[in-house]
Order: sequence, then structure tokens, then C-alpha cells
Amino acid sequence: NAGVTQTPKFQVLKTGQSMTLQCAQDMNHEYMSWYRQDPGMGLRLIHYSVGAGITDQGEVPNGYNVSRSTTEDFPLRLLSAAPSQTSVYFCASSRGTSGRAEQFFGPGTRLTVL
Amino acid sequence: GESVGLHLPTLSVQEGDNSIINCAYSNSASDYFIWYKQESGKGPQFIIDIRSNMDKRQGQRVTVLLNKTVKHLSLQIAATQPGDSAVYFCAEGSYGSSNTGKLIFGQGTTLQVKP
Repeated sequence: NAGVTQTPKFQVLKTGQSMTLQCAQDMNHEYMSWYRQDPGMGLRLIHYSVGAGITDQGEVPNGYNVSRSTTEDFPLRLLSAAPSQTSVYFCASSRGTSGRAEQFFGPGTRLTVL
Repeated sequence: GESVGLHLPTLSVQEGDNSIINCAYSNSASDYFIWYKQESGKGPQFIIDIRSNMDKRQGQRVTVLLNKTVKHLSLQIAATQPGDSAVYFCAEGSYGSSNTGKLIFGQGTTLQVKP
């Protein structure tokens, strides 16, 4: 199994540009989440999904959209990039059974917005 | 507001010694706590979790202790190895919804292991 994969690894955008961060998992996990990690800080939840067709907002959803058309994929869209969105983005998945949050994280996408 | 914090930003230990990483939380409603390890350039990796109905839980070379009275969580690593060098995060949440990713993460403690 590849686990959780994210593309691209690095990206530089100009203010106002849009882009999609890709996330895929091959573990048949129901739950998937997107986080951002800023320097010296812990992760903050952007959006999450509890299954195909179901998404919801996390702690910091503004400026981001998500969709979940398949169990495997959970792309994150930046609508109009801003310098404040410069961060490292992590996607995670978990089985969704019981409450245990044994999430599996991808390697991250480092995004810089100029 | 609610927060999860770590007492020390950096902890330096000698190889072979035991390490203790501390974490304070302030949300008394949290009933589920997790420790993650993040190596440089990688995503966080689940280490161990504990529910609030327990005081202690052991894994392989790791032990998590929970003191609900003072809202304190600690991660003990036995016989610390160079491969343990990483940033360690604690996170808190609700057992019923934490698997959605609804967790509050601390800022992280960097563990440096000296050979």
C-alpha cells in the first residue's frame, strides 16, 4: 500500500492564483482530513470528510474548498491564493470505526504564496 | 480560549536515557488524547493514544500518563535512541469525533538525542 499520497510536494503561487492540492489514499479509509501547519505551531484542521459526498468545515476553512467524489481522493482547492496561506498542508485519513483517531498522514505539500 | 500547550520547546537527552515530554491542556471536556511524532520533512505519525477513563497506557518503549486533576499529559520514551529525534505533538479532542480530525494540537516539543 502507498498509504496517503500528496501532490505536489512543493508549490509557489502568486497572490490571486488558484490551485488544487491532491490527496489520495489506498487504505479504503472512510475519514479524510486536511490540515495546515505553520512554523512553530501545531496542525489546524481546514476541512474534513466522513465519506464520499460528505464534507464539513474545520477550524480554519476560509479560502479553501474541498470535495469528496470517491473514497480514495480528497482534493483541497485554494480559490484565490493569499500570502497568509503560505504553509505546509497535510492530508490524513483514518478508518472511521470507533473513536480512535489513528490517522495516517501524507508527506505534506509546502506552499508559498508570493 | 481552549488551548493545548507544551511546557518546553526543546528537550535534549543522552542516548539511552529516558525522555519525558509534557503537555498541558485546558479543555476539561476533552476525553481523548494523542501523541504524534513528526520527523523532519515528513507528516505526523501516530504514536499512542489514551482515553480519559485511563491514567496510563503503555506501548512499545512509550508510556502516556494522564493526570486529569491538573490537566496534564506526558509521554515517556524509554531508552531513547537517535531515531527518536523529532518533534512531538500532543493533541486533544472528543473520543466520538476525533477520527474526523477534530483535534486541538499543541505547538510541539523538539526532542534531540545526543549520541
